[in-house]
Formats: sequence, C-alpha cells, structure tokens
Amino acid sequence: EAQVTQNPRYLITVTGKKLTVTCSQNMNHEYMSWYRQDPGLGLRQIYYSMNVEVTDKGDVPEGYKVSRKEKRNFPLILESPSPNQTSLYFCASSTHRTGVLADTQYFGPGTRLTVL
Amino acid sequence: GDSVTQMEGPVTLSEEAFLTINCTYTATGYPSLFWYVQYPGEGLQLLLKATKADDKGSNKGFEATYRKETTSFHLEKGSVQVSDSAVYFCALSMKTSYDKVIFGPGTSLSVIP
Repeated sequence: EAQVTQNPRYLITVTGKKLTVTCSQNMNHEYMSWYRQDPGLGLRQIYYSMNVEVTDKGDVPEGYKVSRKEKRNFPLILESPSPNQTSLYFCASSTHRTGVLADTQYFGPGTRLTVL
Repeated sequence: GDSVTQMEGPVTLSEEAFLTINCTYTATGYPSLFWYVQYPGEGLQLLLKATKADDKGSNKGFEATYRKETTSFHLEKGSVQVSDSAVYFCALSMKTSYDKVIFGPGTSLSVIP
C-alpha cells in the first residue's frame, strides 16, 4: 500500500530536549516536505527536499533541521524545542517531474507535538 | 506574495443541504488549484484539482471550477452527508524551482443528521 508514515504520532516533551520525528514514504517520490498546522494559519512549509542530499528552507524553518540521506526518509529534527513549536506536524511527498505542474502531495497521518 | 483566502467557518449544515466554501487566490502567473480534505485524526488527502482556467475538478460529488477572471475556486456539493464532516483546505501550486504549494487556513465543516 502506498503511504507516508510518521513516528511518533504523539509526543510530549520539555523545553530544550532534542527530538526527531521520522517520516518515510514507499512511493519512490523525489520530493518530500514538512509542514506545521496551527489554528487559523493553515499549513506552513518548514523544509522541503527535491532529492537525496538536496534540502532547502520553506516559510518557517527557524528552530528546525532536516536531512535526506536516503530517498525514502526525511526526518525532522528539533535541536532545542521551545513551547512555540507546539503544533501538529505533517510530512508529505510527491513526484517531481520537471515541466509538470500539479503533482498530488501525499500526506502522513500527522504528529502532535507538545513542548512544555 | 502568492496567497489563498478561504472562509474559515466553522460551517454547520444539515444533511442533504447545499454546500459552498469560498476560495480566492492571489498569484503572479498561472497556478494550479487544489482542494484537500482532512478527516478527523488523519492527514490531508487530495479531493480535487484544476490546472488551467475554466477547468472543473470533481470527486465524490464535490466540484470546483477554476475562474481566472475572479481568481476563485469555490467548492460546492449539492447534498452533503454526515461523512463529509471534515476540514477543507484550498491550495495553489506555483511552478518555481519546485512545486511550491500554498494552503489556505482551512474551513471546518460539520454536517448534522
């Protein structure tokens, strides 16, 4: 079954304690992305990756890191989490075909993070 | 910059009522337009899309028409069901160095029996 998986689904942590949220896709997609979802703001892009070893900042990258060592995995790292990073996080993937617009993004189930 | 505006709701309708969720956009160029749906406790999934002016996207009884002259992509359904209760996101995609997707704030829909 084609899917994007994220772990953990729920996480409560304390300020400053490093954490990693994993994301994996089994569709051989080149493009992967992380979003955060906050009430009234919709989804905002944190980081994206167009292929292995190619990553770039989205609209709200401060306080986050990512890596793309393998095509299927795109972990999100919070080196020193703060309460303003409490949010619902989504990983997404899609193909990235040059010259083709409107590739559908496939989303993971979400990770609800609370930073105390 | 590019942006998407949609009615925030929440919207509450009775079963079999007609649904319209308004969406307008601002973009330099010609974006593709999407509606994504998020059911409770789940990630977003594509509901429908349109890639050029006057295209109509449709799926599961929902429809939306890409109106370039009014920069709009309103979502409609003739008869909603309880199972349509979800959050609906309008989005646009611009071809820059990659397919950047910009989402609206989402509209929460509750359908009551």
